[in-house]
Amino acid sequence: DVKVTQSSRYLVKRTGEKVFLECVQDMDHENMFWYRQDPGLGLRLIYFSYDVKMKEKGDIPEGYSVSREKKERFSLILESASTNQTSMYLCASENPGQGASGYTFGSGTRLTVV
Amino acid sequence: GNSVTQMEGPVTLSEEAFLTINCTYTATGYPSLFWYVQYPGEGLQLLLKATKADDKGSNKGFEATYRKETTSFHLEKGSVQVSDSAVYFCALAPSGAGSYQLTFGKGTKLSVIP
Repeated sequence: DVKVTQSSRYLVKRTGEKVFLECVQDMDHENMFWYRQDPGLGLRLIYFSYDVKMKEKGDIPEGYSVSREKKERFSLILESASTNQTSMYLCASENPGQGASGYTFGSGTRLTVV
Repeated sequence: GNSVTQMEGPVTLSEEAFLTINCTYTATGYPSLFWYVQYPGEGLQLLLKATKADDKGSNKGFEATYRKETTSFHLEKGSVQVSDSAVYFCALAPSGAGSYQLTFGKGTKLSVIP
């Protein structure tokens, strides 16, 4: 079964810490995405990548960066965590060559910044 | 730009009731349309999709028909179960290659009571 795996389900970090959220997919997908999900706001795109070492800003990139050194791994980095970054973070991947195939999502990481 | 509007929840139904969750969209051309479901504590799963006008997507008893004339993609199920309790997201992918950068609605929470 194809999978997108996020390394942690729950994380608690302190304000000012550097935080790494890891996402790995085993489907050889080209496109990968990071979203955050907040009540009443739905899903908001932070960053996406359509190839190794390529990245594009989404709608809310401020305070975040990403890394994609290998095709299967897409990392989200919070350079200096703040309490307003407490949220559910969702990773997704997609193979654009399959047409409108939709995304495959990971199970999410619920991050709390204290 | 592209946008998706869903009916606001929460929606509470009794088991075996009929479900409709409204979804309308704004987009140029002929987008692909999706419904995703998120069970408590999980990531999003693709429920069904339609890639052209008048297509009907279906899965697990859920159906949605792509109506170009009304720019709608309403989700329906004839008889809901407690296990259908989840958050449902409508989404669109712009016309063209792949489903690059989905646009999501804000989600509709469904609770089904025995």
